[in-house]
Amino acid sequence: EDQVTQSPEALRLQEGESSSLNCSYTVSGLRGLFWYRQDPGKGPEFLFTLYSAGEEKEKERLKATLTKKESFLHITAPKPEDSATYLCAVQWVSGGGADGLTFGKGTHLIIQP
Amino acid sequence: EAQVTQNPRYLITVTGKKLTVTCSQNMNHEYMSWYRQDPGLGLRQIYYSMNVEVTDKGDVPEGYKVSRKEKRNFPLILESPSPNQTSLYFCASSPLAGGYEQYFGPGTRLTVT
Repeated sequence: EDQVTQSPEALRLQEGESSSLNCSYTVSGLRGLFWYRQDPGKGPEFLFTLYSAGEEKEKERLKATLTKKESFLHITAPKPEDSATYLCAVQWVSGGGADGLTFGKGTHLIIQP
Repeated sequence: EAQVTQNPRYLITVTGKKLTVTCSQNMNHEYMSWYRQDPGLGLRQIYYSMNVEVTDKGDVPEGYKVSRKEKRNFPLILESPSPNQTSLYFCASSPLAGGYEQYFGPGTRLTVT
C-alpha cells in the first residue's frame, strides 16, 4: 500500500485555468511534507515545506496547504512555464535512525497556451 | 554557487563492469542521499548518510554500495551492474536529516546492457 498518493497522475490545463493537485498520505508522526517541481531530465527543485495541519505557503502562482491527511498545491492562473512534474514527499518519525521519507509518483502538469 | 554536482551525467556500460557515480555538495550539508527514478515507480531512496562515516540503507539498496569519508562527497558504487539497474540516478543533500528540504543534483542517466 502506497504511503503517499498523488492525484491526478496527469493534468492538462489551458493558460489561466486554475486548478489543484492533491497529495494524500497515510503515515503517522509527520515531520514535514515537501513539494518539488521537476522539469524533464533535471533534478527536483524544492518549492515548499509544510509542517503542521492548517499551514499554508505561497510562491508566485503556487499555494500549498496541509491537512492531517493530505496536501494541496493550488495553481492560480497558470502559465506555460508552469508545465512540469510536481512531486510530493512525506517525512515521518520512524522507530530508529533517520526519519522515513517517501516520494509520491508525481503529477505531470501541462499548461497549454 | 550552492550546488550538488554529479558525474558522469550519462553512462552506458556492460553487465558486471564496476562503476562509480560521484556526488559532491558545497553547502556543508550533513545529510546526503541517493535516489533512483524509474517510470511509474517515482523516486526511491537507495542509501542515505546522516554524517561522515554514517550510512544506512534506503528502500532499494540491493546491488549498490556507498561511502562517506568526507562531508562533501557521497559516491555511489555499483560493484557488478545489471540491466535492472538501468535508471536515472539523483544525489541530494540537506542541512540535517529531519524536517529540511533536499537539494538535488542534475542526475546521472545510467544504461547497463
